[in-house]
Amino acid sequence: GQQLNQSPQSMFIQEGEDVSMNCTSSSIFNTWLWYKQDPGEGPVLLIALYKAGELTSNGRLTAQFGITRKDSFLNISASIPSDVGIYFCAGGTGNQFYFGTGTSLTVIP
Amino acid sequence: GAVVSQHPSWVICKSGTSVKIECRSLDFQATTMFWYRQFPKQSLMLMATSNEGSKATYEQGVEKDKFLINHASLTLSTLTVTSAHPEDSSFYICSARRGLAYSGANVLTFGAGSRLTVL
Repeated sequence: GQQLNQSPQSMFIQEGEDVSMNCTSSSIFNTWLWYKQDPGEGPVLLIALYKAGELTSNGRLTAQFGITRKDSFLNISASIPSDVGIYFCAGGTGNQFYFGTGTSLTVIP
Repeated sequence: GAVVSQHPSWVICKSGTSVKIECRSLDFQATTMFWYRQFPKQSLMLMATSNEGSKATYEQGVEKDKFLINHASLTLSTLTVTSAHPEDSSFYICSARRGLAYSGANVLTFGAGSRLTVL
């Protein structure tokens, strides 16, 4: 199946720093979802976006649905150790969702 | 709300046996569920889309006779790995779609995953 381009692949940051990651696709989507996955667990939904240009926050997390509908980004402000994990984007059209390659985040205390 | 339960969370079986994994939406009805396979440090690869009351739609390269999917009710989908071999060892995850496909509430809720080890 289709896989979205997600970058960066991995990040090592100091606690308190801000984080930014993005997903791009050659296809247009009408839904963008951002998930966090801890080792050995299923992904947990962070933010859902449904309109081009939409900017949505969830605590320290902010995500935007790109105007072209082919991209989305996720920002994490003032990172903390529990932000460690793998972050996935998912682009959806109707019944189909495709996932990004993942961004592994390591936060150094 | 929106909880998806996946069972078992881990299973070890002998080569040649079949293993069934269940995916249940506990507090909502899911006409569509999805099954994924995930290798270590990799993304989720969609295996098949499971639609209640009809045959599953498999992604290219996924053997439908090997990975049997049944979606008999609005809250339950099962994945059976038939005649499992060591190369089938993986982390299998299901998700259930809430909301209508083109609605402003279309979102996937994931189960916790099932770790399959085939000896």
